[in-house]
Amino acid sequence: GAVVSQHPSWVICKSGTSVKIECRSLDFQATTMFWYRQFPKQSLMLMATSNEGSKATYEQGVEKDKFLINHASLTLSTLTVTSAHPEDSSFYICSARSLGGDETQYFGPGTRLLVL
Amino acid sequence: AQTVTQSQPEMSVQEAETVTLSCTYDTSESDYYLFWYKQPPSRQMILVIRQEAYKQQNATENRFSVNFQKAAKSFSLKISDSQLGDAAMYFCATPPRAGSYQLTFGKGTKLSVIP
Repeated sequence: GAVVSQHPSWVICKSGTSVKIECRSLDFQATTMFWYRQFPKQSLMLMATSNEGSKATYEQGVEKDKFLINHASLTLSTLTVTSAHPEDSSFYICSARSLGGDETQYFGPGTRLLVL
Repeated sequence: AQTVTQSQPEMSVQEAETVTLSCTYDTSESDYYLFWYKQPPSRQMILVIRQEAYKQQNATENRFSVNFQKAAKSFSLKISDSQLGDAAMYFCATPPRAGSYQLTFGKGTKLSVIP
């Protein structure tokens, strides 16, 4: 149980375009989902926390207009990187916390974004 | 803010041997969770083991066990009978404060398993 999927796993796009990444909890309901960014050989950096039906909470230094997060249902959260630039190239990971669960986060497989 | 320190950037272990990865943290809370996650080359984060701070008994999951020292704020991970598939980055994590569902991660320890 506690499977989280992420789509796409790989995306290459041109500078200036927008990219949407989906995060789904497959076998549980997730009240809270998290979006992380990970640079090579570094730890996870929390970008934002999203709760179903409410606005996401962004960490300091993360541009909310750049990284749009929508958590429209208890099983789906999306991250849209708007007007992507090469510096947005990174590995993006989502995680989900189960409704009624503890602080355990279950992670998606990640999305590699390359902006040319 | 909560800090999580993993003082060993890299470790190596011979296959079938035992290795211990260290983690210390800073908190003023009395009840909290602690986690070890594994990130293999595929980069999928996998939950290895978790510990509830109010439980004195150390958590165990097959070959993985923890040595939780609450007073010392230490949470080490012991891997017994190491296997090639254990090679990965290991991250220690805990919530930054009471009632937060976020996790603060350490910088990770890269474990290599030598055949």
